[in-house]
Amino acid sequence: QQQVKQSPQSLIVQKGGISIINCAYENTAFDYFPWYQQFPGKGPALLIAIRPDVSEKKEGRFTISFNKSAKQFSLHIMDSQPGDSATYFCAASMSNDYKLSFGAGTTVTVRA
Amino acid sequence: DADVTQTPRNRITKTGKRIMLECSQTKGHDRMYWYRQDPGLGLRLIYYSFDVKDINKGEISDGYSVSRQAQAKFSLSLESAIPNQTALYFCATSDHRGLGETQYFGPGTRLLVL
Repeated sequence: QQQVKQSPQSLIVQKGGISIINCAYENTAFDYFPWYQQFPGKGPALLIAIRPDVSEKKEGRFTISFNKSAKQFSLHIMDSQPGDSATYFCAASMSNDYKLSFGAGTTVTVRA
Repeated sequence: DADVTQTPRNRITKTGKRIMLECSQTKGHDRMYWYRQDPGLGLRLIYYSFDVKDINKGEISDGYSVSRQAQAKFSLSLESAIPNQTALYFCATSDHRGLGETQYFGPGTRLLVL
């Protein structure tokens, strides 16, 4: 049973639009929430991460929003570009063991 | 990431065969992981190792075994391959000396079991 539920499974957005991917978790012991980006034929790579002591973290066009009470977090991709077309995975871990529990992944397609 | 290499990159095998997937890293990390990726299921942890003498089962270890030959090498074996082990396999590493949570993935091995 997946500990982190991710939606949607796929989305298509126009260039310049906003992509939003949502994740939810049940284990309140999770205290680290990364997002990984995977291009076709490549391994996933860390994109951005957040800890629950902040509600938002922004790096360039990528923003994580975190809602501790709802046990949800989301990735927003602003001004989406064709080069952002990839599969995105949310994940969660506890700082005392570092094992990552991944969501099912979202395939984002940005149309030019 | 060229610092984490996996061999072979593609493999076709038959049901019942024993196969080994190999992972090597030059990052100097102490922690290594094996995952499998299936469409709609994301990445699931098979085994992980926090140092050469430490081996731990992940969430889906049945049918798999591992060997940590050195700090830089971590191999995954399928003792008797079956078709539902057809998947994309990833090795990853992380470093406890830093934050410890960033995992660096290899390019993957695509395995087909006939």
